[in-house]
Amino acid sequence: EVQLVESGGGLVQPGRSLRLSCGASGFKFDDFAMHWVRQVPGKGLEWVSGINWNSGRIVYADSVQGRFTISRDNAKNSLFLQMDSLRLEDTAFYFCAKEAVVRIYATQFDSWGRGTLVTVSA
Amino acid sequence: SYELTQPPSVSVSPGQTARITCSGDKLVEKYTSWYQQKPGQSPVLVIYQDTKRPSGIPERFSGSNSGNTATLTISGTQAVDEADYYCQAWDRIACVFGTGTKVTVL
Repeated sequence: EVQLVESGGGLVQPGRSLRLSCGASGFKFDDFAMHWVRQVPGKGLEWVSGINWNSGRIVYADSVQGRFTISRDNAKNSLFLQMDSLRLEDTAFYFCAKEAVVRIYATQFDSWGRGTLVTVSA
Repeated sequence: SYELTQPPSVSVSPGQTARITCSGDKLVEKYTSWYQQKPGQSPVLVIYQDTKRPSGIPERFSGSNSGNTATLTISGTQAVDEADYYCQAWDRIACVFGTGTKVTVL
């Protein structure tokens, strides 16, 4: 069974940093692209960033470009999101999501974690 | 940037057909996926590559894509289908989600 478990969320002041992690199990992690998607409570889904299976392709939404850094450690079956210069509007649940097709980027997301809440507030 | 627009809400009676649209420029040239999200839960993939259903998704869920509009159809809608639905496509290598539609089963 595929499992994705996010951690690292919490309360942080504007301008500060936070690092999210996503632990994966139940599938061959190093074969699949992974993504971060966020959702302001009560609002819609917003894609944040994606990374292909070998970190050779990394893409960011315009809203986080230059502030967030996605990475992965295939040896530890883990995905990360380093969030710097956080803003009030970054407050959201952050989900990690797995792509569906082996070693292909830009397909569909067939598994999602439960999310971790990031609150940016003074 | 590429945008996908959905109606904010759709209401349907039990047993009837719900249709949720997703509009984007030349959307037919892209594959569209659909996700169901119930309150307090993570999204679940219900349709991918416009028309395909993942294993475990009921046959009452179907999809189509033509011109500038993709459509998710729920035939014989049940109370358990009440949820938010999001379409999703790729603008080259950037993922785009639709604005979301709340389906209410009256």
